[in-house]
Amino acid sequence: SAVISQKPSRDICQRGTSLTIQCQVDSQVTMMFWYRQQPGQSLTLIATANQGSEATYESGFVIDKFPISRPNLTFSTLTVSNMSPEDSSIYLCSGWTSGGDQETQYFGPGTRLLVL
Amino acid sequence: LAKTTQPISMDSYEGQEVNITCSHNNIATNDYITWYQQFPSQGPRFIIQGYKTKVTNEVASLFIPADRKSSTLSLPRVSLSDTAVYYCLVVRRGNTPLVFGKGTRLSVIA
Repeated sequence: SAVISQKPSRDICQRGTSLTIQCQVDSQVTMMFWYRQQPGQSLTLIATANQGSEATYESGFVIDKFPISRPNLTFSTLTVSNMSPEDSSIYLCSGWTSGGDQETQYFGPGTRLLVL
Repeated sequence: LAKTTQPISMDSYEGQEVNITCSHNNIATNDYITWYQQFPSQGPRFIIQGYKTKVTNEVASLFIPADRKSSTLSLPRVSLSDTAVYYCLVVRRGNTPLVFGKGTRLSVIA
């Protein structure tokens, strides 16, 4: 298994500013991902964080708005840039682990962002 | 990946067994089924996964018929703390990211 922590757990930000969310995993994971979850909605994949190279973004998400870093196998950051109220959401980090015949994706607790 | 369909919501009384069925008609040979649970203000939590027949752990059982076009998550004797959203997902081997549907909102009533 893997334990994933995120910082900050929540924040209130002014529009036009940027916030960087940190994700730390307690063990090496093969893949890391960032998701967004609007209130009352399901999770939407933002991007795959690739170690040592540019992240792979899903349709509707771009690097200029959501720059992602992954300097090693246990750490990643997501920046929400030039924020607007529409960016208010929960941002979740996750990672895959493989053990024997089982692959499991674990999630962090999320970062609750409110943009005023 | 195969699209999944599950009920939007379910209600149950405490102590009852709850079965949530998910259909995934276009599941591929190298796909497997996994279920997650999400409480408010928390990230999704892995419950169980399986490929075929029956899988049981300390939390739930997962029943998958031979054609694998559906699966049923069974929660024995639910309590109020089982109130959550339950997601059924079809996963392709190879660490591909999970794609979430709308899930089933289970409400357990005293």
